[in-house]
Amino acid sequence: NAGVMQNPRHLVRRRGQEARLRCSPMKGHSHVYWYRQLPEEGLKFMVYLQKENIIDESGMPKERFSAEFPKEGPSILRIQQVVRGDSAAYFCASSPESFSGNTIYFGEGSWLTVV
Amino acid sequence: GEDVEQSLFLSVREGDSSVINCTYTDSSSTYLYWYKQEPGAGLQLLTYIFSNMDMKQDQRLTVLLNKKDKHLSLRIADTQTGDSAIYFCADSGGSGNTGKLIFGQGTTLQVKP
Repeated sequence: NAGVMQNPRHLVRRRGQEARLRCSPMKGHSHVYWYRQLPEEGLKFMVYLQKENIIDESGMPKERFSAEFPKEGPSILRIQQVVRGDSAAYFCASSPESFSGNTIYFGEGSWLTVV
Repeated sequence: GEDVEQSLFLSVREGDSSVINCTYTDSSSTYLYWYKQEPGAGLQLLTYIFSNMDMKQDQRLTVLLNKKDKHLSLRIADTQTGDSAIYFCADSGGSGNTGKLIFGQGTTLQVKP
């Protein structure tokens, strides 16, 4: 049973380009969460999605960032017109419909570098 | 708002016990977690504790929870050099049993041979 799969693991973008990060949840999991880890900091919640629905986007920057979790396929975190401050590790986590303490799993992360 | 605080750095000698401390502000937290992160790697769930428990032990790891003081600690017995990593405390806050977690800034554990 594969874990949470994120790709790409490492991505380099020039300022102004777009970055797309993908997350495939664990099999049987219908809830996806995105977190951002800036250098030397802890993880900060960005957005919580279920299939075709954004449940909580209270941690998402108001501009340039968007997320989706379509009926088919992985969840996508999209960053438009990237700036140097977007350089960070982006982690995806997933959980099943019925959440309990040990049923949230994190992916290995996607490291975005903006040059 | 909700907050989780940790000390930033801890250095111990191999074979000693390590104690990493964490405080949180949200009294409605249901679950509290400890994660380990090695350089350039993802998060590894070490252990978690349900808020109605005071203590949980799992091999070399002991978690103590003081709900009154909103204080959580992780004790690693017989610390090894392979335990060197960043340790994150996280709580589920008032998220209503979802995976929306609030993380501390991480404690870097350095284990000297």
